[in-house]
Amino acid sequence: AQSVTQLDSQVPVFEEAPVELRCNYSSSVSVYLFWYVQYPNQGLQLLLKYLSGSTLVKGINGFEAEFNKSQTSFHLRKPSVHISDTAEYFCAVSEPGDDYKLSFGAGTTVTVRA
Amino acid sequence: GAGVSQSPRYKVAKRGQDVALRCDPISGHVSLFWYQQALGQGPEFLTYFQNEAQLDKSGLPSDRFFAERPEGSVSTLKIQRTQQEDSAVYLCASSSMGRTNTEAFFGQGTRLTVV
Repeated sequence: AQSVTQLDSQVPVFEEAPVELRCNYSSSVSVYLFWYVQYPNQGLQLLLKYLSGSTLVKGINGFEAEFNKSQTSFHLRKPSVHISDTAEYFCAVSEPGDDYKLSFGAGTTVTVRA
Repeated sequence: GAGVSQSPRYKVAKRGQDVALRCDPISGHVSLFWYQQALGQGPEFLTYFQNEAQLDKSGLPSDRFFAERPEGSVSTLKIQRTQQEDSAVYLCASSSMGRTNTEAFFGQGTRLTVV
């Protein structure tokens, strides 16, 4: 079974500054990796996903993430944040054998300040 | 509608009461999922349907929880004899793909508070 650890529960950041959200997972097998965002009063929305291939994945709204198999990490980055990036971010994994089932981390709340 | 719709958005139930939560998936989506999100936690998998077949219900916390999708579209999650620990946001998601969960579209959730 997989577990997902998001190392930061709260990340305050100034507008136009870079941000990195950390995600580590534990699994003995290959995994699929996802980042979801939840804006206030909205449902979870997929930001990006890693299934295979290039370890650098680009997503919507200028986000990207890098899969590091040796460190079992999938950190999310954005070089310059906007006020509108204020949201909760969830890292999730699934295993190819049970690839309909997502295991989520506890989430990271990003607050962007002017 | 264009997205996954859940109703009600908010539900307050007295302990011991039965509740029913509804999910309208995106039209034509084969797969449907229910997740439970406790306060301050990430969503946790409850159950999975492919069309009308419930292929995995391993995440349902107890036999008080029951889900159905009789015609392969709308789904209902029923909780009998609600307890305070059932308080959470219940999320529904749907996907156009079969067992490959490459992108699931989530509804806004139903916030259940048991008093």
